[in-house]
Amino acid sequence: GENVEQHPSTLSVQEGDSAVIKCTYSDSASNYFPWYKQELGKGPQLIIDIRSNVGEKKDQRIAVTLNKTAKHFSLHITETQPEDSAVYFCAASLEGSARQLTFGSGTQLTVLP
Amino acid sequence: DAEITQSPRHKITETGRQVTLACHQTWNHNNMFWYRQDLGHGLRLIHYSYGVHDTNKGEVSDGYSVSRSNTEDLPLTLESAASSQTSVYFCASSRAAGGTQYFGPGTRLTVL
Repeated sequence: GENVEQHPSTLSVQEGDSAVIKCTYSDSASNYFPWYKQELGKGPQLIIDIRSNVGEKKDQRIAVTLNKTAKHFSLHITETQPEDSAVYFCAASLEGSARQLTFGSGTQLTVLP
Repeated sequence: DAEITQSPRHKITETGRQVTLACHQTWNHNNMFWYRQDLGHGLRLIHYSYGVHDTNKGEVSDGYSVSRSNTEDLPLTLESAASSQTSVYFCASSRAAGGTQYFGPGTRLTVL
């Protein structure tokens, strides 16, 4: 089955700096890669996703890049703000198949004021 | 607006008791999932369902059961609660198999 590894497990950045979280996946057939943000005491919320037919997707201060050859994808947050502090999860799946999302282990991002 | 809800939000129970956690979604999604979240383990899949009367075991299904009698609900039952089942439980649903999952707010369960 699919295996998703996520790094780093914790990340601290100064407000205004950029943050990058990286994930690798094992199954080359995977074609859907969402990112979730989980704030304290809440459920994970989808923030951005990418499918294997594109290499990059951007939404305001967040972007995701995908390298299918190397089987890794990354979340980039620019101009970080204190409200970006949360746990971030990556995931991978084969959309349209019976295989559900496989999640990474999460990254605790802390934005220091 | 369509949503996914969980109840109760907090539950304290004793070892050996049966506990049922409710999950209800109004998106009419066929696919529903239960996860537990513990420090150091991320999200671990307990059970999932791809439609009415369909249920499947996830990676940590021992001690848990689910049933799917309609599209909207997937209750999770702990037949005989154990202290190792103290955790935060999340329900999720998705329209497409393998697609985006939308999570509920979670239930914090404490087994004493």
